[in-house]
Amino acid sequence: SQQGEEDPQALSIQEGENATMNCSYKTSINNLQWYRQNSGRGLVHLILIRSNEREKHSGRLRVTLDTSKKSSSLLITASRAADTASYFCATDFYTGANSKLTFGKGITLSVRP
Amino acid sequence: DVKVTQSSRYLVKRTGEKVFLECVQDMDHENMFWYRQDPGLGLRLIYFSYDVKMKEKGDIPEGYSVSREKKERFSLILESASTNQTSMYLCASSAGGRNIQYFGAGTRLSVL
Repeated sequence: SQQGEEDPQALSIQEGENATMNCSYKTSINNLQWYRQNSGRGLVHLILIRSNEREKHSGRLRVTLDTSKKSSSLLITASRAADTASYFCATDFYTGANSKLTFGKGITLSVRP
Repeated sequence: DVKVTQSSRYLVKRTGEKVFLECVQDMDHENMFWYRQDPGLGLRLIYFSYDVKMKEKGDIPEGYSVSREKKERFSLILESASTNQTSMYLCASSAGGRNIQYFGAGTRLSVL
């Protein structure tokens, strides 16, 4: 399977701490994306990092990409209770004229007030 | 803002019924996708479409079909619903050449 795999499966931290989530994949990619899902809702796009980029920031989010290790990490700094959600990495690997995303199984993040 | 609307949040159907799940997007996106999400399995792609009247099978198309008669609407059809199709169904769309996907709120389908 080309599916990205997130690690850990679940993470529980205290408000104000940083949360680090990892994703590994198997084949060359065009880009890697992270999505968030609140309980019972659809996914929301957070950030995209291209294969020629190593680090990207968006607000309290920092994403890194290591194509040699085929891995990415998502760091959420100064976490808040509202960050409690599931987080998914999605890989976009070239399949011809039309690419598509392959999602991992997700990481459940709980931020305790 | 992109809006992807799924016709129902919750749906209860009986085994053997034909089920239609509707998805509409308002951003003139070329690409539309149907996923199902199950605990421990993540999101799995059922079908996708890159243009009107075009469809391609995803990873788990068995037991499903789709219809895209208009650019903004992508329908998922369960020809004869079975209990193992009880799941959360998510629709998404994206613009051509840019693969950020926008999701609907999901339809939680229970087949009894």
